[in-house]
Amino acid sequence: KAGVTQTPRYLIKTRGQQVTLSCSPISGHRSVSWYQQTPGQGLQFLFEYFSETQRNKGNFPGRFSGRQFSNSRSEMNVSTLELGDSALYLCASSPKEGGEAFFGQGTRLTVV
Amino acid sequence: QKEVEQDPGPLSVPEGAIVSLNCTYSNSAFQYFMWYRQYSRKGPELLMYTYSSGNKEDGRFTAQVDKSSKYISLFIRDSQPSDSATYLCAIFTGRRALTFGSGTRLQVQP
Repeated sequence: KAGVTQTPRYLIKTRGQQVTLSCSPISGHRSVSWYQQTPGQGLQFLFEYFSETQRNKGNFPGRFSGRQFSNSRSEMNVSTLELGDSALYLCASSPKEGGEAFFGQGTRLTVV
Repeated sequence: QKEVEQDPGPLSVPEGAIVSLNCTYSNSAFQYFMWYRQYSRKGPELLMYTYSSGNKEDGRFTAQVDKSSKYISLFIRDSQPSDSATYLCAIFTGRRALTFGSGTRLQVQP
C-alpha cells in the first residue's frame, strides 16, 4: 500500500510570492491534516480536512489556506510568503478522525 | 504551560540499553496517544498508537499510558544505533488535532 505522497519535496521561493503544496493520502483515508515543523516551534497544526470539508484550523494567519478534493487529495497554499514561513510542511492522513495519523516525507520550503 | 511536555534531551545511551522516553500532558480529555520516530530530514513515522491506560507492546517497543498521572512513556529494549532519531509523543485532542511534544533526540552509541 502506497504511503502519503507529498510534492514537491523541496521549494525555494522569494518573499511576497505564493506557493501551493500537494498531498496524496493513503488510499481509503478520508482525513488529511497539515502541520508546520520548525526547529523553534516544533510541529504545529495548520488545518484538517475530512470529506472535502475543513473541520479544524490551527492558529495561523489567513495567508495559509487549504482544500481537499473529492479523491481526498489535498493542497495547501501560502500567499505573500515571509521569511518565517521557511519550514518543513507535513501532511498526514488518517482512516478516520482520531485514528492513527500517517505522515508523508514533507515539503521543505525555503523563503529567501 | 504547554499542553504536552517532553524533555528535548539529547539522550545518549550505549547499544543494548533500555531507553525510556516520557511525556506529560495537562488536558484530561486527551484520549488517543501516539509515538513517532523522526529521522533527520524525514517525515515522522508512527511507532505506537494506543487509547487506553496500560501497556502496549510491539517488538522492542512498549508504550505505557497512565491517565491518572497524565503521563505516557515509550520504552525501547535492546536499543540499536539505527534507533538514533528524534522521538515525538503526540496526543489527539477533542479539537481534532494532534498536539505534539517537542521531541527527544536519542543517540545510541555502538
